[in-house]
Amino acid sequence: AQKVTQAQTEISVVEKEDVTLDCVYETRDTTYYLFWYKQPPSGELVFLIRRNSFDEQNEISGRYSWNFQKSTSSFNFTITASQVVDSAVYFCALSGRDDKIIFGKGTRLHILP
Amino acid sequence: KAGVTQTPRYLIKTRGQQVTLSCSPISGHRSVSWYQQTPGQGLQFLFEYFSETQRNKGNFPGRFSGRQFSNSRSEMNVSTLELGDSALYLCASSFTQQGASRGYTFGSGTRLTVV
Repeated sequence: AQKVTQAQTEISVVEKEDVTLDCVYETRDTTYYLFWYKQPPSGELVFLIRRNSFDEQNEISGRYSWNFQKSTSSFNFTITASQVVDSAVYFCALSGRDDKIIFGKGTRLHILP
Repeated sequence: KAGVTQTPRYLIKTRGQQVTLSCSPISGHRSVSWYQQTPGQGLQFLFEYFSETQRNKGNFPGRFSGRQFSNSRSEMNVSTLELGDSALYLCASSFTQQGASRGYTFGSGTRLTVV
């Protein structure tokens, strides 16, 4: 069975600090996709990144970076120099052979001014 | 380009009633999926439609049903509402039927409250 675990339920940091959101996944599929979504108070899930299981290169997009490590089944997300607008719930997700997205429980991030 | 549109945004219904939620995907997108989000269970997959056919289904009782029209718009219906059906219902669309592996575009959701 597939599973995504986000152990951090809630995190609070002061603006401009760096913060890392952890994600650990379980799957028996050899081909799978990992995602991060952001859910601001307005409710919609905003797509941030997609990674396939064969691409372990880290990715950086502005202040956001992602570290994918198959050896530890982890796909962590780091926000550098956090801003108040980064406050939201962040979801890590996994999609495998059955083409259904399984979401983690989410991490609520508070960036304090 | 308009995003995924869900109507209504908020809904209050009484136990035992039925409800229909609507989702208009991004123009050109043919796949629509529905998710239920609750504080306790998180985001759970309900079903996916592609070209008017249900392609995938989650583990929900038969009270939850859906359909997709020829213009790709989708509706989901919940009959005999229970208090536990109170949730945010999110719709997502993608161009291909392999939407989950490509990444979806989500709507803002319909918040259903059952009293």
